[in-house]
Amino acid sequence: DVKVTQSSRYLVKRTGEKVFLECVQDMDHENMFWYRQDPGLGLRLIYFSYDVKMKEKGDIPEGYSVSREKKERFSLILESASTNQTSMYLCASSHGGAGNTIYFGEGSWLTVV
Amino acid sequence: TQLLEQSPQFLSIQEGENLTVYCNSSSVFSSLQWYRQEPGEGPVLLVTVVTGGEVKKLKRLTFQFGDARKDSSLHITAAQPGDTGLYLCAGSASFNTDKLIFGTGTRLQVFP
Repeated sequence: DVKVTQSSRYLVKRTGEKVFLECVQDMDHENMFWYRQDPGLGLRLIYFSYDVKMKEKGDIPEGYSVSREKKERFSLILESASTNQTSMYLCASSHGGAGNTIYFGEGSWLTVV
Repeated sequence: TQLLEQSPQFLSIQEGENLTVYCNSSSVFSSLQWYRQEPGEGPVLLVTVVTGGEVKKLKRLTFQFGDARKDSSLHITAAQPGDTGLYLCAGSASFNTDKLIFGTGTRLQVFP
């Protein structure tokens, strides 16, 4: 069974803290993605990666960075968390090419206080 | 920037009713996908449509991709409480990428 695993389901962090969200997939997928989901705004792409050590900015990369040192792992980093980064974060992965199935993790709920 | 607008944003209906959700854009997409998301879970893919005018059926769900590949609809026949969830459309901007643009979502509640 395919699986995208996000290490933390619920986190509460203080403003200014450095936050790591980890994501692992077991499907040998080339592509990995980080989205945030907010009510009324749908899913917005933060960063994506087509290969190890490769990353591209999505639509809302400001305040975030990513790391992909291994094919199966894609990390999202908030260098200095702010309250407007309180959100649900979704990791996803897929094989290359348009129209392929994208598999999502269960999401990480981050609250920044 | 490509945008996908979904309507309605919220829908509350009784079991057995039919409904249609719309996904519209001024941009052309190479393919379009529909996802359903249940509370506390990530979205799960329902269908992918790639050809203008294409119609796909998944049991009581019918998906259509517009002729111009700018819009799509999801029709549910005889809705059931198990259909409750957030429905998201997502368009792929080009044939060489999985980078998706998501619609704003339609939250469906089906009451028994």
